[in-house]
Amino acid sequence: AQKVTQAQTEISVVEKEDVTLDCVYETRDTTYYLFWYKQPPSGELVFLIRRNSFDEQNEISGRYSWNFQKSTSSFNFTITASQVVDSAVYFCALSEADGGSNYKLTFGKGTLLTVNP
Amino acid sequence: ETGVTQSPTHLIKTRGQQVTLRCSSQSGHNTVSWYQQALGQGPQFIFQYYREEENGRGNFPPRFSGLQFPNYSSELNVNALELDDSALYLCASSWGPSRETQYFGPGTRLLVL
Repeated sequence: AQKVTQAQTEISVVEKEDVTLDCVYETRDTTYYLFWYKQPPSGELVFLIRRNSFDEQNEISGRYSWNFQKSTSSFNFTITASQVVDSAVYFCALSEADGGSNYKLTFGKGTLLTVNP
Repeated sequence: ETGVTQSPTHLIKTRGQQVTLRCSSQSGHNTVSWYQQALGQGPQFIFQYYREEENGRGNFPPRFSGLQFPNYSSELNVNALELDDSALYLCASSWGPSRETQYFGPGTRLLVL
């Protein structure tokens, strides 16, 4: 069964600090997708990034970057020069085929990031 | 904003009642997935609808049921409400049931008393 672990329950940083959110996953499939979503206090889950299991190239998009390592089943997410508006709960999610054509998302428990001014 | 809308935004029910939650998918999306998010937890997959058929289901009892309409909007129905059904219910739409990014609506907060 697929599983996502976010060991950090809460992180608190001061504005402009860099912060890395950790994610470790378990899956038996060779084809899967990994996501990061942001959930501000309003409740809506906002899509941030997605990687597929065949592409381990790490990228940077603005202040966001991610480190995908299949060897350690990790998909870590870094925010550079954090801002107060980055304060939210961040979820790592794994998507794989659910026995048919359905790809469901399995989420971790989330990491609450607080960026203080 | 994703273009996924949900109604109502908040709802209070009593134990044993029935509730219907609604979701309009993003334009061009034909797949809707529903998730339940308890306080302090990550969302849990309830089921997915693709082209008006249920296309996968999570570990939820049959009193959780759904529908998808020809315009790809969807309903989540919960019968015989229990206190533990209190949660944020999230709808997500995507272009196709497989491998596609799911875009979420703002959710419906359900409180069962």
